[in-house]
Amino acid sequence: GAVVSQHPSWVICKSGTSVKIECRSLDFQATTMFWYRQFPKQSLMLMATSNEGSKATYEQGVEKDKFLINHASLTLSTLTVTSAHPEDSSFYICSAREHSNQPQHFGDGTRLSIL
Amino acid sequence: QKEVEQNSGPLSVPEGAIASLNCTYSDRVSQSFFWYRQYSGKSPELIMSIYSNGDKEDGRFTAQLNKASQYVSLLIRDSQPSDSATYLCAVNAPTNAGKSTFGDGTTLTVKP
Repeated sequence: GAVVSQHPSWVICKSGTSVKIECRSLDFQATTMFWYRQFPKQSLMLMATSNEGSKATYEQGVEKDKFLINHASLTLSTLTVTSAHPEDSSFYICSAREHSNQPQHFGDGTRLSIL
Repeated sequence: QKEVEQNSGPLSVPEGAIASLNCTYSDRVSQSFFWYRQYSGKSPELIMSIYSNGDKEDGRFTAQLNKASQYVSLLIRDSQPSDSATYLCAVNAPTNAGKSTFGDGTTLTVKP
């Protein structure tokens, strides 16, 4: 149980393109979803916390207009990287959690490369 | 002081040995504790959850929690080369706005 599906796995696109990443909880209702970014050999960095039906809460230093998060249902959250630039190239990982005292379950991640 | 601290390692053990991974946390009201494994280039995967003091065993893995000492550990018995990964400790506290606080991870290498 507790499967989280994240798509796409890889994205390579030109600078200036907007990229949408989907995160779905397949067998549980995710009241909270999280979006992380991780650069090579570095720690997970939380970008934002998303509760179903509410606006996402962004961590300090993360541009909300650059990284648009939608959590319209209990099983789906999306992250859109708008007007992506090479410095946005990274490994983006979503996670989902049913209740606040339970663990997060991670998607497989999306490797984003902006040329 | 970081909220969740782990030895960065690298920790190297021979195959078949016990690997011991440690984590301390600062928030006394923390209630839920988790260990994740992250292989290089992959996303984290949940190994163990522990909520009450004492030991919790699952196969070759044992999580130990001591809330008085604010300490949680993960023991891996009969370590295998496939256990080589970075192990992340995560803590949930009601004071943290619903977020988990992750340690920076300990990198474990199991040598054949």
